[in-house]
Amino acid sequence: QKEVEQNSGPLSVPEGAIASLNCTYSDRGSQSFFWYRQYSGKSPELIMFIYSNGDKEDGRFTAQLNKASQYVSLLIRDSQPSDSATYLCAADQTGANNLFFGTGTRLTVIP
Amino acid sequence: EPEVTQTPSHQVTQMGQEVILRCVPISNHLYFYWYRQILGQKVEFLVSFYNNEISEKSEIFDDQFSVERPDGSNFTLKIRSTKLEDSAMYFCASSDLWEGYPPEAFFGQGTRLTVV
Repeated sequence: QKEVEQNSGPLSVPEGAIASLNCTYSDRGSQSFFWYRQYSGKSPELIMFIYSNGDKEDGRFTAQLNKASQYVSLLIRDSQPSDSATYLCAADQTGANNLFFGTGTRLTVIP
Repeated sequence: EPEVTQTPSHQVTQMGQEVILRCVPISNHLYFYWYRQILGQKVEFLVSFYNNEISEKSEIFDDQFSVERPDGSNFTLKIRSTKLEDSAMYFCASSDLWEGYPPEAFFGQGTRLTVV
């Protein structure tokens, strides 16, 4: 069964620190991986995607992908209280145009 | 900025009743999706729709569910006979199609369905 696993947290970091969020996936055929941010009671908001091994940076966010280890991560630099949310990792399904989501990691940035 | 819009934001219905959830995807997008999220649980894929037909569906999307694109802008999810366990937040999403790139799905704000 295809699974995307995340540590549910909560993860607490002080303001200005680096937050590191991790995700593993079971479907070796998955090609693309997405990070979404979800505030309580709101819809998932796309942060970024990655589909090549290595790092991809977008502002304060860096996504990392290691397909051999089936591991995806998201680093948030200079964390702000407004970054406090649940971060969802999602993987595409092999040969299909839909996403499997993890349960999310709740991040709290402490001022 | 273009966005996916959903109506209503909250729907309360009695068990056994039919409900229709409505969505207006981003205008130039070609793929449309429905996902749901039961309170406290993960976001789950229901169905994807492309070129006026279902392209994929999950085990959750049984005969009680149907989707339709009745005109050039709306995309609907119908649940024929609602059950208590259908209570969830239903998200519509849409994505463009760029060859060689993964589909970036943008989500609407959701419809909270409560079955009583």
